[in-house]
Amino acid sequence: SQQGEEDPQALSIQEGENATMNCSYKTSINNLQWYRQNSGRGLVHLILIRSNEREKHSGRLRVTLDTSKKSSSLLITASRAADTASYFCATEPGGGADGLTFGKGTHLIIQP
Amino acid sequence: DSGVTQTPKHLITATGQRVTLRCSPRSGDLSVYWYQQSLDQGLQFLIQYYNGEERAKGNILERFSAQQFPDLHSELNLSSLELGDSALYFCASSANTWGDTQYFGPGTRLTVL
Repeated sequence: SQQGEEDPQALSIQEGENATMNCSYKTSINNLQWYRQNSGRGLVHLILIRSNEREKHSGRLRVTLDTSKKSSSLLITASRAADTASYFCATEPGGGADGLTFGKGTHLIIQP
Repeated sequence: DSGVTQTPKHLITATGQRVTLRCSPRSGDLSVYWYQQSLDQGLQFLIQYYNGEERAKGNILERFSAQQFPDLHSELNLSSLELGDSALYFCASSANTWGDTQYFGPGTRLTVL
């Protein structure tokens, strides 16, 4: 079952603009991870944020986590054409060893 | 390049057949996970192995099985294949059993005709 739900499902912006994607989930988590996937290829790990963290940065990426609202956001600043991809949030449950539960993803298109 | 390798890249087979997908984790990683990505179901966790032992099970069908060998590589066996099994199958690895980043391989695209 899909725990994470990304919003919006699709997003089209101009190169240079910022892109924000949101993710909501339902149960308690140990961590939340964001991944990028280019057109049916492998998943590239972007950021892992633990349940006791509120914000993390990596280059042009900023991730926030609000466990009280069970939501996370991914901000990509100064977008580039190469950022065009699908972005997924994935949650690791708080109870122990288990696989990640993925949302349906946000398809981001950067217009040149 | 995540360091996780999967073979083969593509597999085309017929209904009723059996196939084996292979995964080598990143050097030093003890956990291997298998995921299925299809258009209708999205990305779904199938099964996890940690240091040779089954650790967690997700939405894995009884027709599917997996194992992790002493050298830590893993195989996913899919039998009595149906059209609906056509999907991308990903392997991921992490250092330990939970709490760590999962690094994904490039996937095996399975087409069942």
